[in-house]
Amino acid sequence: QKEVEQDPGPLSVPEGAIVSLNCTYSNSAFQYFMWYRQYSRKGPELLMYTYSSGNKEDGRFTAQVDKSSKYISLFIRDSQPSDSATYLCAMPAGNNRKLIWGLGTSLAVNP
Amino acid sequence: NAGVTQTPKFQVLKTGQSMTLQCAQDMNHEYMSWYRQDPGMGLRLIHYSVGAGITDQGEVPNGYNVSRSTTEDFPLRLLSAAPSQTSVYFCASSYSQGAPNEQFFGPGTRLTVL
Repeated sequence: QKEVEQDPGPLSVPEGAIVSLNCTYSNSAFQYFMWYRQYSRKGPELLMYTYSSGNKEDGRFTAQVDKSSKYISLFIRDSQPSDSATYLCAMPAGNNRKLIWGLGTSLAVNP
Repeated sequence: NAGVTQTPKFQVLKTGQSMTLQCAQDMNHEYMSWYRQDPGMGLRLIHYSVGAGITDQGEVPNGYNVSRSTTEDFPLRLLSAAPSQTSVYFCASSYSQGAPNEQFFGPGTRLTVL
């Protein structure tokens, strides 16, 4: 079993829809939970992160962590065609600066 | 700041050829790493470095060498290219302290080995 599991999709939604992207993880020691966004033919870039449990909101994006279930989510409200990208979850592992990555979920928002 | 730069953007090699993928960053980051990204496999760590003169293997190091003589540069060498090394390669950098570990990525090098 991989340490971080993420359904690669693809996910296709109409413009304006609410999108839910999810990851599960197995290591209860993870404390930070990161979401990266990767546009086609570009490198990933950090979208947002949360520490421990709870929610964090940034504009149309909300990151949610449920440590009891080892489950994290990224919600996108009022999705736009410009949100079309691959979304990767990542978690820092220990003190050696490595990140454990999900496979990424490909999202297409159709006008 | 240019951030993380990678050259070349595209490369086609024949089996058995060698080459070096260049990576440079101007953010004074101590930590640098190389990933390859393949469909269905996600990002996989090849090698990483926590500072000049210090490198270590990631999860898929075979067939690749790295060195870190300066803080800014972290080249990746393919010793004898194989078709299995056809991939998109990303270099990333981050600070060695502080949380979380935000990694900054370069634009990638698309490599095809024939």
